[in-house]
Amino acid sequence: SYELTQPLSVSVALGQTARITCGGNNIGSKNVHWYQQKPGQAPVLVIYRDSNRPSGIPERFSGSNSGNTATLTISRAQAGDEADYYCQVWDSSTAFGGGTKLTVL
Amino acid sequence: QVQLVQSGAEVKKPGASVKVSCKVSGYTLTELSMHWVRQAPGKGLEWMGGFDPEDGETIYAQKFQGRVTMTEDTSTDTAYMELSSLRSEDTAVYYCAIVKGDGWFDPWGQGTLVTVSS
Repeated sequence: SYELTQPLSVSVALGQTARITCGGNNIGSKNVHWYQQKPGQAPVLVIYRDSNRPSGIPERFSGSNSGNTATLTISRAQAGDEADYYCQVWDSSTAFGGGTKLTVL
Repeated sequence: QVQLVQSGAEVKKPGASVKVSCKVSGYTLTELSMHWVRQAPGKGLEWMGGFDPEDGETIYAQKFQGRVTMTEDTSTDTAYMELSSLRSEDTAVYYCAIVKGDGWFDPWGQGTLVTVSS
């Protein structure tokens, strides 16, 4: 099965830019989707197909994907962005990354 | 807009089965590709399986094959996930979610906590 690797944690100062990576073999050839999950809540889609934002997701959230790494970028980080973030691809079946805990300092 | 509402929390003994429901509103179930994902306490997301509209069949993650059954009642637009031979490691929050496009999950149900304990 396809494996996705995420850092366990990322910290960002309030108002700065956070980048969360998702590594996979030739992941740039796949469509990557990202989810935000706050404690006690269901995941919410924040980016689909590498860089597309669903309606209602702030423009501060963006994504890119190339080579062996996909990246979720959160600009002007806010306290409300603190959450776990998961990447996901569909490769004969679904694979999720292990999740990254974002802390806003 | 699709909304998913799941059944309430369950407590089961090892060896028992559990059946979780997911009620769809805003669309009919036949228009959607329903999948199930679980999350053990403090752990990540784990896909269990779901409906593949290309084949018209339900596909299961290898880990759960033989132990999970996913069904749909189109008369009530309700999907079900039944997991049998429960063990403590099956303690988790179980989510239903709709798969769209080339494989993203949106939206998700609110989750159902299943606790397996003797």
